[in-house]
Amino acid sequence: DGGITQSPKYLFRKEGQNVTLSCEQNLNHDAMYWYRQDPGQGLRLIYYSQIVNDFQKGDIAEGYSVSREKKESFPLTVTSAQKNPTAFYLCASIPTGSYNEQFFGPGTRLTVL
Amino acid sequence: AQSVSQHNHHVILSEAASLELGCNYSYGGTVNLFWYVQYPGQHLQLLLKYFSGDPLVKGIKGFEAEFIKSKFSFNLRKPSVQWSDTAEYFCAVNAGNNRKLIWGLGTSLAVNP
Repeated sequence: DGGITQSPKYLFRKEGQNVTLSCEQNLNHDAMYWYRQDPGQGLRLIYYSQIVNDFQKGDIAEGYSVSREKKESFPLTVTSAQKNPTAFYLCASIPTGSYNEQFFGPGTRLTVL
Repeated sequence: AQSVSQHNHHVILSEAASLELGCNYSYGGTVNLFWYVQYPGQHLQLLLKYFSGDPLVKGIKGFEAEFIKSKFSFNLRKPSVQWSDTAEYFCAVNAGNNRKLIWGLGTSLAVNP
């Protein structure tokens, strides 16, 4: 089955710790995205990557970092510099040549205690 | 700056009532338009999309949307809602020559049985 996998579904961390969220896709999509979803605030773009070894900051990149070493994988690190990290994080991807229809993973709910 | 506005943040309806959710965007050029839905506990999925052609587009589960270029609008409609339509609905726009989506803040729909 093709799709986007995010793991784990729920993640708990202590304040001050970095944490890495996984996003893997086997759809052969070129572009991948990380969003943060908070109640009443819609989806806010953190980072995106259009090709391997390249990525761009989105609207709220501060306190986050990413890498894109493989086409299939786009992990997001939430660093201790992120002031309010507790949120629902969504990963998405877009196939090559599409009209930018995004496909989403199931999300990871991060709670920082 | 480009933006997407969803007029209704919370909507409560009874089953069989008609639904219309407003979505307006600010961009004067060519756009691709999307409505996504997030059912409780599920990941975001595409409801319908408009790229070109007939401005009245039909999506899954009886939903439709009409693109009115002169009004910069892409309102979502369903003639008769069901309890299972309870979800959060997001309007998104792809504008210009980039691969990012601009998202509305979402509308939370609750359908009472």
